[in-house]
Amino acid sequence: KAGVTQTPRYLIKTRGQQVTLSCSPISGHRSVSWYQQTPGQGLQFLFEYFSETQRNKGNFPGRFSGRQFSNSRSEMNVSTLELGDSALYLCASSFGQDVDTQYFGPGTRLTVL
Amino acid sequence: QQQVKQSPQSLIVQKGGISIINCAYENTAFDYFPWYQQFPGKGPALLIAIRPDVSEKKEGRFTISFNKSAKQFSLHIMDSQPGDSATYFCAAGGDNYGQNFVFGPGTRLSVLP
Repeated sequence: KAGVTQTPRYLIKTRGQQVTLSCSPISGHRSVSWYQQTPGQGLQFLFEYFSETQRNKGNFPGRFSGRQFSNSRSEMNVSTLELGDSALYLCASSFGQDVDTQYFGPGTRLTVL
Repeated sequence: QQQVKQSPQSLIVQKGGISIINCAYENTAFDYFPWYQQFPGKGPALLIAIRPDVSEKKEGRFTISFNKSAKQFSLHIMDSQPGDSATYFCAAGGDNYGQNFVFGPGTRLSVLP
């Protein structure tokens, strides 16, 4: 079974730009969660999508948004990038019916210059 | 109340020794406690998880001990190997939180040959 895939793996952007990251969950998984990982703040929950609906949201500004498609693939968008947005962005998938084992992808390393 | 504390920040153990990482939480609504292992350049991978209805769970060389009254749980790695050198994260979640997990800050484990 293929694991969680994320594209692109690396991204360099400049302040003020926007970026879209993609995540393909494990086949059969309907829940996709996004996390931001930084050395200073660790792993922080951004949001979770289940069956194309945002089900949970962390404490991030509205510049961070996401969506999920009917095939469970998910995208995350960050608008008006700031230097502090430089991080590893991880997505995790699960069946999502109850609290469940999450399987993480390798992440997208975003650098904002 | 959502915070999960984790210690130590880093740990150096000799091959064959026992590695112990401790975590503490405050929110009594949490009822699912996974541990993740992360190697450089990879996403976190689930090691072992526990529910509060048991005080200990063992899988191979990895054991979780859980103290519900103290709101603490710990990971023990027996017979530590150089291949165990990684960053370990504890997390807390629950049925009321869907896939929204709160992660500890991580422990960098180095096992010396």
